[in-house]
Amino acid sequence: GESVGLHLPTLSVQEGDNSIINCAYSNSASDYFIWYKQESGKGPQFIIDIRSNMDKRQGQRVTVLLNKTVKHLSLQIAATQPGDSAVYFCAGLRMDSSYKLIFGSGTRLLVRP
Amino acid sequence: DAMVIQNPRYQVTQFGKPVTLSCSQTLNHNVMYWYQQKSSQAPKLLFHYYDKDFNNEADTPDNFQSRRPNTSFCFLDIRSPGLGDAAMYLCATTSRDGNQPQHFGDGTRLSIL
Repeated sequence: GESVGLHLPTLSVQEGDNSIINCAYSNSASDYFIWYKQESGKGPQFIIDIRSNMDKRQGQRVTVLLNKTVKHLSLQIAATQPGDSAVYFCAGLRMDSSYKLIFGSGTRLLVRP
Repeated sequence: DAMVIQNPRYQVTQFGKPVTLSCSQTLNHNVMYWYQQKSSQAPKLLFHYYDKDFNNEADTPDNFQSRRPNTSFCFLDIRSPGLGDAAMYLCATTSRDGNQPQHFGDGTRLSIL
C-alpha cells in the first residue's frame, strides 16, 4: 500500500547542533514531497519541498535529500535553534491527480539549551 | 498575513449538538481540504473539494459533511458530534497547477462535553 513513514518518533538535539529527520516512503508513484513543521496549537507550516527529478534541495538552514533508490527522504536542519522545536511531518503527493497528501507519522524535535 | 483562516480557533459543543467550523482563504486556490488531527498523530484527510466537486474519503463517517459555497469559503458540519470527534480540525488549500504544497490554517480545536 501507500505510506510515508518516519523512523523515529522523538529526536533530542543540543542547541547549535545539526538535526536530521528521516522519512521512508513506499509509494513509488509519488514524485513530490513536502516537509512540514507543526508547532503546538498551530497548523502545519510548509518548510521545503522536493520533486523526484532532484536529489537535494536547500533552503535557509534546511536541506532535503531524496534517495529514490531506497525510497528515503531526510530533512537536515543546520545549527538547530530552540525555535525549531516542533513536530515535523513528511508528506508525499499521490500521483493519481487526486491532489491528496500522504503524511508520515511525525517526529518531535526537542532542542536542549 | 494569514492566508487560510479558520474560525473559531476553539469550539466547545455538547454531545450530539450540531456544530459548524469555517475556513476562508485569500489565495484563490481551487482545492480545499478538511483534515482531522488527534493528539500526536498526523492529519487525516476527511474530504476535499476540487472547485465545486466534492471528494469524500471512503472512511469518513457520514456524520461529517461539508459545503463550499464559493472559492473562498468552506465549511465542515458535524451533525451529531460524539466524544470521539474531539480533535483539531485543519483546513488546507492548494492550486490545481499540481506539485504545489498545501497551505494550512491554524485549525479549530473542537471539544465535546
